[in-house]
Amino acid sequence: QKEVEQNSGPLSVPEGAIASLNCTYSDRGSQSFFWYRQYSGKSPELIMSIYSNGDKEDGRFTAQLNKASQYVSLLIRDSQPSDSATYLCAVTRAMDSNYQLIWGAGTKLIIKP
Amino acid sequence: DAGVTQSPTHLIKTRGQQVTLRCSPKSGHDTVSWYQQALGQGPQFIFQYYEEEERQRGNFPDRFSGHQFPNYSSELNVNALLLGDSALYLCASSQWTVGDTQYFGPGTRLTVL
Repeated sequence: QKEVEQNSGPLSVPEGAIASLNCTYSDRGSQSFFWYRQYSGKSPELIMSIYSNGDKEDGRFTAQLNKASQYVSLLIRDSQPSDSATYLCAVTRAMDSNYQLIWGAGTKLIIKP
Repeated sequence: DAGVTQSPTHLIKTRGQQVTLRCSPKSGHDTVSWYQQALGQGPQFIFQYYEEEERQRGNFPDRFSGHQFPNYSSELNVNALLLGDSALYLCASSQWTVGDTQYFGPGTRLTVL
């Protein structure tokens, strides 16, 4: 079992609809959760971080965390073609006094005009 | 405010050669992490440097080594290159006291022939 799992996709969503991306993790001790966006050939760009159970909203993006079920999700409202990218989920694993980010393989999102 | 910078952008080497990649962290950051990202995969953690010491290391052979300088910039060295070392190499910077939020540079695309 991978430590962080994501559906590889591609996930195809019509423009203007809500895109829903999911991520599950295995380490119950994980404390911090991140969503990064990565365009083809580019480096990951931080979209959101979430630390507590519940929802966190930032513009068109909402991150949802459920530690009991060990999943974190990202909702993108009013999807735009520019949202087409691979979305990476990253989870911290406590390592002594610091943290290590554990990454999923990413979900490819395609927004169809 | 300068973000994370990396050099070179692209690099082509042959098997058995050695390569050095460079990274300058975001202003105010003191910690540098290096990742290897193969096509279609999430980033794989190589190692992390803080106060000029390697603090954490992922599952990479000793051919991969690094260094951090007093100005917080860092180098990644790979010896005896293999074809399988072809990947996007990413540098991420963060603040040690904050711990987990990392910002990525543009990456170095290494091709080993």
